[in-house]
Amino acid sequence: AQSVTQPDIHITVSEGASLELRCNYSYGATPYLFWYVQSPGQGLQLLLKYFSGDTLVQGIKGFEAEFKRSQSSFNLRKPSVHWSDAAEYFCAVGAAGNTPLVFGKGTRLSVIA
Amino acid sequence: KAGVTQTPRYLIKTRGQQVTLSCSPISGHRSVSWYQQTPGQGLQFLFEYFSETQRNKGNFPGRFSGRQFSNSRSEMNVSTLELGDSALYLCASSLSTGIYNEQFFGPGTRLTVL
Repeated sequence: AQSVTQPDIHITVSEGASLELRCNYSYGATPYLFWYVQSPGQGLQLLLKYFSGDTLVQGIKGFEAEFKRSQSSFNLRKPSVHWSDAAEYFCAVGAAGNTPLVFGKGTRLSVIA
Repeated sequence: KAGVTQTPRYLIKTRGQQVTLSCSPISGHRSVSWYQQTPGQGLQFLFEYFSETQRNKGNFPGRFSGRQFSNSRSEMNVSTLELGDSALYLCASSLSTGIYNEQFFGPGTRLTVL
């Protein structure tokens, strides 16, 4: 069975600083990896996904993530954070077929001036 | 195109009662999934419906049930509510079932059990 660990519960960064959110997964086969963002009072929005191919994937809102099989990681990055990026971020792993996504417990991002 | 709609947005119930939550998917989407989100457990999958059939079920007790109608709208029901059922219930729709179909999430229904 798949599992996801997001080691950081809460991260605070200054506006304009770079950001990296960590995600580690456990899955025996090739994982399908996702990052979602949830703003207060809203549902989840897909930022990016990795199925295969280039291990560096670009997403919306200037985010990117890198799949590292050797480290079982799929970390999310952004070079310069904006105040509007304050939200909760969820990493998820899926498998081929019809099995449901498994989500990490999320990392809450705060942005300070 | 309208997004996923969930009603009601907020609900307060007492222990022992039952509750029904509704989800209207994006037009044309035939798959609807339900998730429970709590601070301690994060997002946990409840079930998925596709073409009025339950395709997947998470590890929840039988008090949690759902159904899907011919227009793809879905409802979930929780009977004999417990305090631990307090959560944000999220619905997500996709064109079809399977990993390649992006899920679009609604804003959720916040259920408080007193």
